[in-house]
Amino acid sequence: SQKIEQNSEALNIQEGKTATLTCNYTNYSPAYLQWYRQDPGRGPVFLLLIRENEKEKRKERLKVTFDTTLKQSLFHITASQPADSATYLCALENNNAGNMLTFGGGTRLMVKP
Amino acid sequence: DGGITQSPKYLFRKEGQNVTLSCEQNLNHDAMYWYRQDPGQGLRLIYYSQIVNDFQKGDIAEGYSVSREKKESFPLTVTSAQKNPTAFYLCASSMGRDLGYGYTFGSGTRLTVV
Repeated sequence: SQKIEQNSEALNIQEGKTATLTCNYTNYSPAYLQWYRQDPGRGPVFLLLIRENEKEKRKERLKVTFDTTLKQSLFHITASQPADSATYLCALENNNAGNMLTFGGGTRLMVKP
Repeated sequence: DGGITQSPKYLFRKEGQNVTLSCEQNLNHDAMYWYRQDPGQGLRLIYYSQIVNDFQKGDIAEGYSVSREKKESFPLTVTSAQKNPTAFYLCASSMGRDLGYGYTFGSGTRLTVV
């Protein structure tokens, strides 16, 4: 069966450190992988999209890697700030469902001052 | 400013009632989606529409219905056949995956059965 796995336990880090979140998937062949940020009671906000032929993508303090052999994406926030505290969701295209996005359960990040 | 508007923000439904959640976008996006989110869980796809007058079932369509009569609007009806409707409902739109853009989400409607 298809699965998208993100660490369900909260990630607690100190301000200024690099946060690394993991997204693993099975039985998908996505052409794209996306990362979103979600704050409590709000809709997700799109952060980054990475294509299958791209190994790495950067945007300001954010970096995403995509390893289609390992079936894994890593999401990094460098120089983390308390304002980065939120839940981060990864999402893949579901080739069996009209290429609609399927979301992982998200990982909650807590950055402590 | 362009965006997606969901209304109402909070909705209470009695047992056996149908309720309709509104979703309007002024982004000129062709594709629109409805997701459901339960506490501590990811988003699950209910219905999607890639063009006006056409829509497809997602993973959990049972007990829900939609219409897409206008490009800007994609309302979701939660029918009495949906046995566990209490959840956070999110509407989204996109201009198309090949352009490298993600989804734009609304602020959500929290539905509670009373």
